[in-house]
Amino acid sequence: DAKTTQPPSMDCAEGRAANLPCNHSTISGNEYVYWYRQIHSQGPQYIIHGLKNNETNEMASLIITEDRKSSTLILPHATLRDTAVYYCIVRLPIYNQGGKLIFGQGTELSVKP
Amino acid sequence: DGGITQSPKYLFRKEGQNVTLSCEQNLNHDAMYWYRQDPGQGLRLIYYSQIVNDFQKGDIAEGYSVSREKKESFPLTVTSAQKNPTAFYLCASSIRGLGSASNYGYTFGSGTRLTVV
Repeated sequence: DAKTTQPPSMDCAEGRAANLPCNHSTISGNEYVYWYRQIHSQGPQYIIHGLKNNETNEMASLIITEDRKSSTLILPHATLRDTAVYYCIVRLPIYNQGGKLIFGQGTELSVKP
Repeated sequence: DGGITQSPKYLFRKEGQNVTLSCEQNLNHDAMYWYRQDPGQGLRLIYYSQIVNDFQKGDIAEGYSVSREKKESFPLTVTSAQKNPTAFYLCASSIRGLGSASNYGYTFGSGTRLTVV
């Protein structure tokens, strides 16, 4: 019952911006979009989240379309250490299954020298 | 430093045995969660707890049990009833939202890889 779809893999040149797309056409009005990344055999690492507005932090920017049916994670200057699986996730409100994260399959990003 | 500690990192279990995975957090988070990850897949929710002495089943609770006797601890037992227990298990915690739509990011542990031999 994944609510997100992502391309299975992407490549990016080191130093360039990595733009990772995500579709979430069935998202509900009070469900947030979260992005996590996971390096093999480690726990997922939080990157950013948003509801309606675009967001930016020290790691990345999140662009959410006005209709909220899709979003893009932007890593402005990708490094080799950004190679990981990136998950676009819908988070349910806290009163719905404790705020469960609904994972999709993720995008395997390879940053190349 | 605050964080979540899972132990052990690797665990081997014989068929028919119960095993318990440890999860401890010192972040003062109210909510704790257990997820399971199979190769090439995203995470699926096993159990969650929003408050001490209370927990709820997630999507794949069959064959698992939990307890929440202390705020800091949320151990997961994989019972012999779990037919395919080999997987990567992740524990997480979060601040419980004050409002109906409040959301805060999860902090994950580093995981326990369970293998049935």
